[in-house]
Amino acid sequence: SQKIEQNSEALNIQEGKTATLTCNYTNYSPAYLQWYRQDPGRGPVFLLLIRENEKEKRKERLKVTFDTTLKQSLFHITASQPADSATYLCARGGGTASKLTFGTGTRLQVTL
Amino acid sequence: GAVVSQHPSWVICKSGTSVKIECRSLDFQATTMFWYRQFPKQSLMLMATSNEGSKATYEQGVEKDKFLINHASLTLSTLTVTSAHPEDSSFYICSATRDSINEQFFGPGTRLTVL
Repeated sequence: SQKIEQNSEALNIQEGKTATLTCNYTNYSPAYLQWYRQDPGRGPVFLLLIRENEKEKRKERLKVTFDTTLKQSLFHITASQPADSATYLCARGGGTASKLTFGTGTRLQVTL
Repeated sequence: GAVVSQHPSWVICKSGTSVKIECRSLDFQATTMFWYRQFPKQSLMLMATSNEGSKATYEQGVEKDKFLINHASLTLSTLTVTSAHPEDSSFYICSATRDSINEQFFGPGTRLTVL
């Protein structure tokens, strides 16, 4: 089966630092990886999509990388703020009907 | 744009009753809608994929007779949990895609508690 793993359940960092979250996948490379933000009791919100043939994608303070050799995607938040505190989900896609398989998420806590 | 709503946002019901959850795409036509279930501190688990006018495709291990999905239009899908039991208590989330865009737009979720 195609697994997606986010090994860090939680990450605590200080405001202003860069948060780096890791997502690993098994077996063949997915056509794309997506990153979502989920706040408690809410549905996920789409952040970024990176395709297999892209090495890096940026959006404002967010950056995501896709390393097919390491079978890994890294998600960076630069100049982190307390408002960035949330759970971040990685998802692999590219199969039939745009189905996504989600990781368990990393809960990020940014403190003052 | 690309807003998805769910109703109700939370529901409490007695064991053995049925509960219907609605998922609507408010400002776009959804080519496909998905239903997920999320238990506390766990990830989203896909239950089924739904296309307008056709039968839903259920993931392995999901009982299609227990979780009835109806996709009546390009903007509305419903999930009915039949004969609900306490183990069905969970956070149910729908999402929708439009055109050929891979991004999924999620609803705010429905918290179901079965007593």
